[in-house]
Amino acid sequence: KQEVTQIPAALSVPEGENLVLNCSFTDSAIYNLQWFRQDPGKGLTSLLLIQSSQREQTSGRLNASLDKSSGRSTLYIAASQPGDSATYLCAAHRNDYKLSFGAGTTVTVRA
Amino acid sequence: NAGVTQTPKFQVLKTGQSMTLQCAQDMNHEYMSWYRQDPGMGLRLIHYSVGAGITDQGEVPNGYNVSRSTTEDFPLRLLSAAPSQTSVYFCASMARWNGLAGSPNRNEQFFGPGTRLTVL
Repeated sequence: KQEVTQIPAALSVPEGENLVLNCSFTDSAIYNLQWFRQDPGKGLTSLLLIQSSQREQTSGRLNASLDKSSGRSTLYIAASQPGDSATYLCAAHRNDYKLSFGAGTTVTVRA
Repeated sequence: NAGVTQTPKFQVLKTGQSMTLQCAQDMNHEYMSWYRQDPGMGLRLIHYSVGAGITDQGEVPNGYNVSRSTTEDFPLRLLSAAPSQTSVYFCASMARWNGLAGSPNRNEQFFGPGTRLTVL
């Protein structure tokens, strides 16, 4: 069974600082890894999907890396802004399309 | 495209009542699924479907039924609501990658806005 862990559970940084969010998974035979953003009381918004053959994906200020051998993915958010405050979830895709989610890291960016 | 839509947004039930949570998508996605989200836990898979007429159980299927009569709709039925089913429910859909240039990002899943359910 795939276990996905996100540490820390919460993070508070001043505006402008770079954010580093960690995700670890127990089964390296993942298909893809997907990062989501969730605002309070809202649904999940897909940020980045890293295919198993890739090592990283970038979108604007966001960069996600994937190291299957060590069971880790990292989401970097450059020059954080108060609008980046949200909960960030990572999910490992299994070959049968099912997702295994971490519990998330709640980020607060202080103005 | 409206994407993935869910109704209702909020619902309060009494123990023993039944109800159906609705989910629809207009992206012609083959794969649809239901998750529940509880505080301090990751989302957990309840049921999923790989196409019309095909459904299967996820991690936490007890107390829930699903059916998939069309590609667009994937309703989740609570048979006899219990307080342990108080949660936020999310529906998701995905287009399966067909290997062709320009096809959707491989197995990227899209989520609806959620239904917040309270069972008293």
